[in-house]
Amino acid sequence: QKEVEQNSGPLSVPEGAIASLNCTYSDRGSQSFFWYRQYSGKSPELIMFIYSNGDKEDGRFTAQLNKASQYVSLLIRDSQPSDSATYLCAVNPDKLIFGTGTRLQVFP
Amino acid sequence: GAVVSQHPSWVICKSGTSVKIECRSLDFQATTMFWYRQFPKQSLMLMATSNEGSKATYEQGVEKDKFLINHASLTLSTLTVTSAHPEDSSFYICSARDLSSGTQETQYFGPGTRLLVL
Repeated sequence: QKEVEQNSGPLSVPEGAIASLNCTYSDRGSQSFFWYRQYSGKSPELIMFIYSNGDKEDGRFTAQLNKASQYVSLLIRDSQPSDSATYLCAVNPDKLIFGTGTRLQVFP
Repeated sequence: GAVVSQHPSWVICKSGTSVKIECRSLDFQATTMFWYRQFPKQSLMLMATSNEGSKATYEQGVEKDKFLINHASLTLSTLTVTSAHPEDSSFYICSARDLSSGTQETQYFGPGTRLLVL
């Protein structure tokens, strides 16, 4: 079982819709969780981090964490074509471990 | 925000040569930097953790004699790919922790260095 799992996608959503990106992890000792966005050919950029169960909102982005289910998600409201990228989930039990990423496509 | 730079952004070299990549934290001090490698359509794989003033910690399967890491100052870490071969062609990305940010585990990534070994 992979340590951090994500659906590779592509996830296609229309402009203005909500995009929902999901991630599961295997190490119950994980304490911190990160979402990075990576455009093609570029390095990852941090979108959000979350440490506690529940929701954390930052602008159009909401991260959701459920440690009991070992599940973390990212919601993007009012999706824009510029949001089209690969979204990487990263989990930190003792070092940052990345999922393979979900490719999001937002079409006009 | 925390800014990390890398140089060069692109390298093309002949097989057997050595390539040095620099990673700098521009507006903060980083006692710990990380080196990742990413092959096409794959995720980032941690190669090593670079600690200022001490030896780097390498991940399993990464040859420390092939990938030399030096972290001589709080703002600079270097990765040298020695005797590079075509299979070393990849996207090398460094990251650094900004301990002053209040979220000590948060890593900020450099723009990456694309290495092509002919």
